[in-house]
Amino acid sequence: KNQVEQSPQSLIILEGKNCTLQCNYTVSPFSNLRWYKQDTGRGPVSLTIMTFSENTKSNGRYTATLDADTKQSSLHITASQLSDSASYICVVSATGDDYKLSFGAGTTVTVRA
Amino acid sequence: DGGITQSPKYLFRKEGQNVTLSCEQNLNHDAMYWYRQDPGQGLRLIYYSQIVNDFQKGDIAEGYSVSREKKESFPLTVTSAQKNPTAFYLCASSSRTGEAFFGQGTRLTVV
Repeated sequence: KNQVEQSPQSLIILEGKNCTLQCNYTVSPFSNLRWYKQDTGRGPVSLTIMTFSENTKSNGRYTATLDADTKQSSLHITASQLSDSASYICVVSATGDDYKLSFGAGTTVTVRA
Repeated sequence: DGGITQSPKYLFRKEGQNVTLSCEQNLNHDAMYWYRQDPGQGLRLIYYSQIVNDFQKGDIAEGYSVSREKKESFPLTVTSAQKNPTAFYLCASSSRTGEAFFGQGTRLTVV
C-alpha cells in the first residue's frame, strides 16, 4: 500500500530560526513528490516539485531535498517568518495506471515572535 | 480561468440531515479527491475517483457518499450516518503528471 508519513506532527519555532520537516514514503513506482503549504482555512498551494533525478530544489526560503534511494524528502525553512505559520503537506505521485496521489497528514508549523 | 471550485464556503447542517458539497474542476483532470480536516489535524481521505463512473473509498468513507457522473464534477454527500460531520472539507483534482490542485474548502458545521 502506498503511504506517506510526515514528521513531526507539529512544531513551534521562534521567528528567524530554521526548521526541517520530514517526509518518508513507500509509493512505487515513484513519479514525483510535491510540498504544499496550507494556511488556516484555505486550500493548499504548491511550493516545490521533486522528480526522481532531482536532489535539491529551492523556492525562496524553502529548500526541498529528495533521496529516492531511501525514499525520504525534507523541507527546510530558513530564517522563519510569522507568515510561515501553516501546515505543510507532502504529496507523492506514482506512475502507471494507479497514479492516485498519496498525501501525508501534514506538519503544522507555528512561528512565534 | 482554469481551476477547481468548491461551494458553498460555509454550510450548516441540522441533526439528521443530508447535505451535499459541490466540487467542480475545468482542468480536464481525471482524478478527484475528497479530504476531511479537523482542527489541528492532517488531511484524511474520504473518497477518490480516477475515472468517470468509478470511485473508491478512502480511509474514513463511513457516513459519506459520492458520485462521478461527469469528469468535471465530484460532489460529496454527508449523510445523517456521519455522527461527527463538523469539519473542513477539501476537494482536489490531479493530472497524470501528479500536480494536485485544491479547492478553497467548505467548512461544515452541525447546528
